[in-house]
Amino acid sequence: EAQVTQNPRYLITVTGKKLTVTCSQNMNHEYMSWYRQDPGLGLRQIYYSMNVEVTDKGDVPEGYKVSRKEKRNFPLILESPSPNQTSLYFCASSLQGPPYNEQFFGPGTRLTVL
Amino acid sequence: GENVEQHPSTLSVQEGDSAVIKCTYSDSASNYFPWYKQELGKGPQLIIDIRSNVGEKKDQRIAVTLNKTAKHFSLHITETQPEDSAVYFCAASRTTTNAGKSTFGDGTTLTVKP
Repeated sequence: EAQVTQNPRYLITVTGKKLTVTCSQNMNHEYMSWYRQDPGLGLRQIYYSMNVEVTDKGDVPEGYKVSRKEKRNFPLILESPSPNQTSLYFCASSLQGPPYNEQFFGPGTRLTVL
Repeated sequence: GENVEQHPSTLSVQEGDSAVIKCTYSDSASNYFPWYKQELGKGPQLIIDIRSNVGEKKDQRIAVTLNKTAKHFSLHITETQPEDSAVYFCAASRTTTNAGKSTFGDGTTLTVKP
């Protein structure tokens, strides 16, 4: 089944403890992206990757890192999480990326930073 | 950068009525405008999209219109059904500088009352 998977789905952690949220797609898509969703603020883009080894900042990249070493995986790294990073995170992938193709979203990761 | 405003933030209609959600964008170079539907506990899913060389697009009960001069686009849902209840997001992106960057509206919570 074609899908975008994220792990973990739920995570509660403490301030400063490094964490990684994994994202994987099995559709051979070139484009992958991370978003955070907060009440009343919609979806805000954190980072995106047009292809392997090519990453770019979205609108809210501060406090996050990403890497794209292989096509199928695009992990989101929080080196020193803070409470303001408590949010619902979505990974998405697309054949070529907007504006060329629709994005397929994962199921989301709910992160709480205490 | 691009700014997308979406209205209304909540919308309640009676089953069978029509629903209209409007978005405005700021970047005249934006040329791809998708609409995503997010059901409770799931990631957003594309329902319809439109490119800047088209003024209107229809898919069964759903239609999108684009006014490039005024920089706004709208989602129209006719004959609404309870299963249309969800959060809807508009987005904008461009093929030139910052291609790959995607800006979303804040979302509209649509409730269809049976």
